[in-house]
Amino acid sequence: DIVMTQTPLSLSVTPGQPASISCKSGQSLLHSDGRTHLSWYLQKPGQPPQLLIYEVSKRFSGVPDRVSGSGSGTDFTLEISRVEAEDVAVYYCMQSVQAPITFGQGTKLEIK
Amino acid sequence: QVQLVQSGAEVKEPGASVKVSCKASGYTFTSYGTHWVRQAPGQRLEWMGWITGGDGNTRYSQKLQGRVSITRDTSAGTAYMELRSLASEDTAVYYCARDGDGLQSWGQGTLVTVSS
Repeated sequence: DIVMTQTPLSLSVTPGQPASISCKSGQSLLHSDGRTHLSWYLQKPGQPPQLLIYEVSKRFSGVPDRVSGSGSGTDFTLEISRVEAEDVAVYYCMQSVQAPITFGQGTKLEIK
Repeated sequence: QVQLVQSGAEVKEPGASVKVSCKASGYTFTSYGTHWVRQAPGQRLEWMGWITGGDGNTRYSQKLQGRVSITRDTSAGTAYMELRSLASEDTAVYYCARDGDGLQSWGQGTLVTVSS
């Protein structure tokens, strides 16, 4: 199984300031189809996860452009340029390059 | 719009089985696969398996192989996840999610509690 490791596990950010979450995979997420199968989700309390980013850097419909993803191979980053109160959630990275699909431990974002 | 509606909460005794449904709407059911993901209290998301859209093939987590079955009724646009020989460690919220570029749409979740 591909192990997904996120850091930090929690972060507290002042509104308007940036936030960054790292995700490292145990092996390359570049598929033979030429796509890198790394996606990001946020989960608010009592709700299902919501897709934010797929294929490393592609924003899902409705996701604001202050949210961005980057990286390649085994190292990936989710960045929020200006944190807002609505961003309070747990963020997960996920790999789907091979079964079983695996998730990171989650990073809890709080507002200072 | 795309919607996945799951069946309601369940309470089961250890050793029993549970079957959770996931009714899809807003898209052609057989054009996309359906994944099942669970989340135990305070734990990370755990992928359980999926059923493909076209031919309905299944693939399961090795950890749950032999205890989990994912099926579908294409005429009803509904996917099902059955988990057998339940234990307390299976207490979790179970989600279905539509395949695509990432897991784009999720059901609301079904709480399964295993308790004697």
